[in-house]
Amino acid sequence: DVKVTQSSRYLVKRTGEKVFLECVQDMDHENMFWYRQDPGLGLRLIYFSYDVKMKEKGDIPEGYSVSREKKERFSLILESASTNQTSMYLCASSLGQVRSEQFFGPGTRLTVL
Amino acid sequence: GDSVTQMEGPVTLSEEAFLTINCTYTATGYPSLFWYVQYPGEGLQLLLKATKADDKGSNKGFEATYRKETTSFHLEKGSVQVSDSAVYFCALTGGSYIPTFGRGTSLIVHP
Repeated sequence: DVKVTQSSRYLVKRTGEKVFLECVQDMDHENMFWYRQDPGLGLRLIYFSYDVKMKEKGDIPEGYSVSREKKERFSLILESASTNQTSMYLCASSLGQVRSEQFFGPGTRLTVL
Repeated sequence: GDSVTQMEGPVTLSEEAFLTINCTYTATGYPSLFWYVQYPGEGLQLLLKATKADDKGSNKGFEATYRKETTSFHLEKGSVQVSDSAVYFCALTGGSYIPTFGRGTSLIVHP
């Protein structure tokens, strides 16, 4: 069964902390994505990677960075967490073809106090 | 740019009622169209898809037909169950790797 896994389902951090969210996929997909999901705002793309060490900014990259050192792993980094980054974070992957469907992880609910 | 518009929710139905969730889109070229479902506390999962005009995607009793003339991809189910309660997202992927999602429609089914 194909899978996208995320390192934590729930995470509580303090303002100013550096936060790492990890995502791993076992489908040998070229593309990986990080979204945040907030009530009333739907899904918003933070960053996207189409290959190892390659990344592109999405719609809301401010306050975030990413790392993709291996094909199967895509990390989202909050350099200095703030309360407005409290949200549900979803990782997804897809094949390196246009019009491909996405496969999502279960999400990480991050609370920043 | 591409956009997806879906009806606002919540949609509240009784068990065994007929479901329609409307979705219209704007895109250049010939996008693929998707419906994803998100159950409480989980990530999104693909429900069905259609890759060209007049294709019908179907899964778990849900259906949607790719209508190019009306730029629509409405989701339907003949008889909903309590277990169908979830948030449904319409999406398209055109000439890039990045999909465009609608805002999501919450469905609540009462026994």
